[in-house]
Amino acid sequence: QVQLQESGPGLVKPSQTLSLTCSVSGGSISSASSYWTWMRQHPGKGLEWIGYIYYSGNTYYNPSLRNRVIISVDTSKDQFSLKLSSVTAADTAVYYCARRGSGRHFFDLWGLGTMVTVSS
Amino acid sequence: QSALTQPASVSGSPGQSITISCTGTSSDVGGYDHVSWYQHHPGKVPKLIISDVNSRPSGVSNRFSGSKSGNTASLTISGLQAEDEADYYCGSYSGTSTYWVFGGGTKLTVL
Repeated sequence: QVQLQESGPGLVKPSQTLSLTCSVSGGSISSASSYWTWMRQHPGKGLEWIGYIYYSGNTYYNPSLRNRVIISVDTSKDQFSLKLSSVTAADTAVYYCARRGSGRHFFDLWGLGTMVTVSS
Repeated sequence: QSALTQPASVSGSPGQSITISCTGTSSDVGGYDHVSWYQHHPGKVPKLIISDVNSRPSGVSNRFSGSKSGNTASLTISGLQAEDEADYYCGSYSGTSTYWVFGGGTKLTVL
């Protein structure tokens, strides 16, 4: 069965770029018509949708983060990535990767999440 | 502050039923039949338990049910079991401007 796993630095300095990767195992990232998604959860808060990339390459971003976010996909490695630039302490959160199926309006597969702290 | 409003906590005894509300606006919960609910045991992978207001994915217990009235969606868990103790989040599609909004989560305690 398909599984997702996030990876990346747990500590990022203010003003730098946060970079995370989500590895898709048990299936091909390009064979499924899916939206490969990034979410985050600030400490003690609810979930926030960051954005997603369709398997074809089209991207969709949360308007509040659009100026700082890039989501990309590497089909050769069955991975997709998140880059969030100019981070501040407000970007400290648990970051999750997830999957939304094409034509569907829910997220049916999630990773375990990875904590990222922004601090000098 | 989350876009969708959920109670911070609910509790119930084994065998009882509880309901968790999720209140949004006509731009999200009230405007689309695309409310979903997720169960999250800390340290584990979040799990989809309800999609499109009241659909249960394969493998999800029929003790979980969803509904919606106006701008408020609800998750009901009947026959509470100890394993139901978890955090529950609602989410809703909100159109092509903001796309997706979520609630702040509700911690369910089984007494």
